Amino acid sequence: DAGITQSPRYKITETGRQVTLMCHQTWSHSYMFWYRQDLGHGLRLIYYSAAADITDKGEVPDGYVVSRSKTENFPLTLESATRSQTSVYFCASSLDGMNTEAFFGQGTRLTVV
Amino acid sequence: KQEVTQIPAALSVPEGENLVLNCSFTDSAIYNLQWFRQDPGKGLTSLLLIQSSQREQTSGRLNASLDKSSGRSTLYIAASQPGDSATYLCAVLMDSNYQLIWGAGTKLIIKP
Repeated sequence: DAGITQSPRYKITETGRQVTLMCHQTWSHSYMFWYRQDLGHGLRLIYYSAAADITDKGEVPDGYVVSRSKTENFPLTLESATRSQTSVYFCASSLDGMNTEAFFGQGTRLTVV
Repeated sequence: KQEVTQIPAALSVPEGENLVLNCSFTDSAIYNLQWFRQDPGKGLTSLLLIQSSQREQTSGRLNASLDKSSGRSTLYIAASQPGDSATYLCAVLMDSNYQLIWGAGTKLIIKP
């Protein structure tokens, strides 16, 4: 199916573990984004990518790593999960990052215990 | 630093009413402004995108306006329906770094 999909939808992990959230889009959009959504903070940009092999930091990048070896995939890795990284994570894509609307995945609810 | 504010945080109105949601931003150097809808447990759906050179955009019963100089946007929903119940978020795309800065949202409940 065309669209943007995230996996897993729900994840519980322990403090200190590495966890990877997956994002896949079928539109060949150039831009992809990772946001986290927390009560009281709204959505905040973690990392974004303008194209394969091009990534850049957003507002809250500490503790996260991204890669984009293929246009359609943009995984987000928490190298050593902390409780403060408990959040809902959204992946998004857009054709050119500026003039066109952004499309969002369903989100991954991550709980770090 | 850009700040985006949405007032009210929550709104409950009877079905059929016309309503206005507000979004304000502190830095007028924006590239565009987008309105999104978020349903519980789901992702965000883009509703309208207004370029900084535009004054308004319309889609069905939705109309969004933009007054860049005063740092304000409104989302007008005509003839509200229970299916319009959701959280509405506005976001501005900055001229400087093309990053979206988000408001906290307005939670809208339409009572049948």
